[in-house]
Amino acid sequence: GAGVSQTPSNKVTEKGKYVELRCDPISGHTALYWYRQSLGQGPEFLIYFQGTGAADDSGLPNDRFFAVRPEGSVSTLKIQRTERGDSAVYLCASSLTRESYNEQFFGPGTRLTVL
Amino acid sequence: AQKITQTQPGMFVQEKEAVTLDCTYDTSDQSYGLFWYKQPSSGEMNFLIYQGSYDEQNATEGRYSLNFQKARKSANLVISASQLGDSAMYFCAMRRAGNQFYFGTGTSLTVIP
Repeated sequence: GAGVSQTPSNKVTEKGKYVELRCDPISGHTALYWYRQSLGQGPEFLIYFQGTGAADDSGLPNDRFFAVRPEGSVSTLKIQRTERGDSAVYLCASSLTRESYNEQFFGPGTRLTVL
Repeated sequence: AQKITQTQPGMFVQEKEAVTLDCTYDTSDQSYGLFWYKQPSSGEMNFLIYQGSYDEQNATEGRYSLNFQKARKSANLVISASQLGDSAMYFCAMRRAGNQFYFGTGTSLTVIP
């Protein structure tokens, strides 16, 4: 596909469980971002990858959150010991390079619900 | 602290009229970028327009223009000739040199036929 894809589109889990959210960026895009969007809020920055490395993970709320991008394309956001407060839409975006004028292309998001 | 403020939680505009959505930002950086995104009810974020901090002219993209007032730290979005399909949430965002993005809380725009 031409756009950013995210799987699953919806994920319901129980408190304390582990979840993985996947992002498949646009081919050739070196920059990849993860955001969390709570109801009625704007997206909140979590982590930014340039290639395979996490260039900035200062937005991750705590050590239960971790993200990888081992081959510089697909990325996985991992959440351990999920809490009800983790419920949100998790958005992934990619851009061609890290240059400031490059727009981000967003995926449709994964709606995570922690019961 | 880096911050984006959108003070209008909801706006209404008559079809074919122009509307301005407000955005102010707070940063001590010299180099930064300002963006507007549209998020329809389907949820996907769509890029609308970009303004660099060093750009002297206001950005324009079709019916969208960005009224950039650097001294006031404002980056208002102007939508001309509103259409029914413009009804959506609109987010202002700022990109720092380190590639962190900060988003405002959004403005819900409703276009009235």
